[in-house]
Amino acid sequence: QVTLRESGPALVKPTQTLTLTCTFSGFSLSTSGMCVSWVRQPPGKALEWLALIDWDDDKYYSTSLKTRLTISKDTSKNQVVLTMTNMDPVDTATYYCARTTTGTTSNWFDPWGQGTLVTVSS
Amino acid sequence: SSELTQDPAVSVALGQTVRITCQGDSLRSYYASWYQQKPGQAPVLVIYGKNNRPSGIPDRFSGSSSGNTASLTITGAQAEDEADYYCNSRDSSGNQVFGTGTKVTVL
Repeated sequence: QVTLRESGPALVKPTQTLTLTCTFSGFSLSTSGMCVSWVRQPPGKALEWLALIDWDDDKYYSTSLKTRLTISKDTSKNQVVLTMTNMDPVDTATYYCARTTTGTTSNWFDPWGQGTLVTVSS
Repeated sequence: SSELTQDPAVSVALGQTVRITCQGDSLRSYYASWYQQKPGQAPVLVIYGKNNRPSGIPDRFSGSSSGNTASLTITGAQAEDEADYYCNSRDSSGNQVFGTGTKVTVL
């Protein structure tokens, strides 16, 4: 059974750096085609993809947020970490991690973690 | 552009068929995947690839694609299908994008 769980602070202050950890089980991030992504969702709004890291340690970032994001993995701990700098109240959202499977003509996110709500406020 | 556009809302009578569409240039090269999200819950994958359903997803969910448009069809909609639905694809650079989302109401 594949599971993912997000952890991190529920509240951060403006200008601070957010660090979120995704701890997963049931698959290996060393397996070809396996990836983990971060996706966020502001209250009442749509999903927004943030970043992806693959089995070969290649990293991809949202064009609009790439200067603020860093994604990394610790394969031995089955963890993926996302950092986002210079947090702002507009970054208030539920942050999800999801296993991502990539192919030549498609990719999909399955399963997802339960999500963690991060509020940015002074 | 790697944007994916969806109709904000659609409604369907119980037991009838509804089609949700997703438009974007990336869909000419890549299949969409589709996600169902109910209030307060994480998204759930319902369709991926050409037209594949994960284990546990009812066969009333199906997917198709033509040109720059991908579609998710629910044939015989049930009350439990009322949810937000999002499409997803990728661009040639490997960046992912989600659609704007469609709220499905079952009447």
